Amino acid sequence: AQSVTQPDIHITVSEGASLELRCNYSYGATPYLFWYVQSPGQGLQLLLKYFSGDTLVQGIKGFEAEFKRSQSSFNLRKPSVHWSDAAEYFCAVGAGYGGSQGNLIFGKGTKLSVKP
Amino acid sequence: GAVVSQHPSWVICKSGTSVKIECRSLDFQATTMFWYRQFPKQSLMLMATSNEGSKATYEQGVEKDKFLINHASLTLSTLTVTSAHPEDSSFYICSARNPQGVTEAFFGQGTRLTVV
Repeated sequence: AQSVTQPDIHITVSEGASLELRCNYSYGATPYLFWYVQSPGQGLQLLLKYFSGDTLVQGIKGFEAEFKRSQSSFNLRKPSVHWSDAAEYFCAVGAGYGGSQGNLIFGKGTKLSVKP
Repeated sequence: GAVVSQHPSWVICKSGTSVKIECRSLDFQATTMFWYRQFPKQSLMLMATSNEGSKATYEQGVEKDKFLINHASLTLSTLTVTSAHPEDSSFYICSARNPQGVTEAFFGQGTRLTVV
């Protein structure tokens, strides 16, 4: 069965420090992978996505993620965290995305806190 | 980019009443929309897939008679929580995918339902 694991429930980093949020997936076919960010009480904003091609994808707000098929991972990174990055981050895999489906399977999320 | 609007943003209702949540795709036609539920500090769980002009497809464990979904037009899907109870209190989010070659799902801003 398809699944997404985000091992870290809560991460705290200092402003200006680098960030890496981990995501591992289980999916039988070529995965469509996404990272979303959610501020409290808000909907989801897409940070970046991977469908094919270059395994290092660039997103908005200075985020990037690297797809590693051998490790079934799609970790999110940012070289220098800003206080405004504090939010909940969700990794997701598109179940049957290539067809008419389009629903997503989400990880449990990682809450990011940023220290001044 | 494509916009999905969800209304209302929050609602408080009495136990036993019904609540309707609307999800609109503002600048594209969505033949398929998705309804997710998010419990506090939890991930998003797919409840059902809403198909324009046909019956919704519910995920296992979701009561179709309790969560009525109507997708009467290509830009509107509604979720009605019938005879709401406090355990139905949650954050409900819809998403839609533009079928015209765009490969990402766009999310509404979510609806916070509180049943008292």
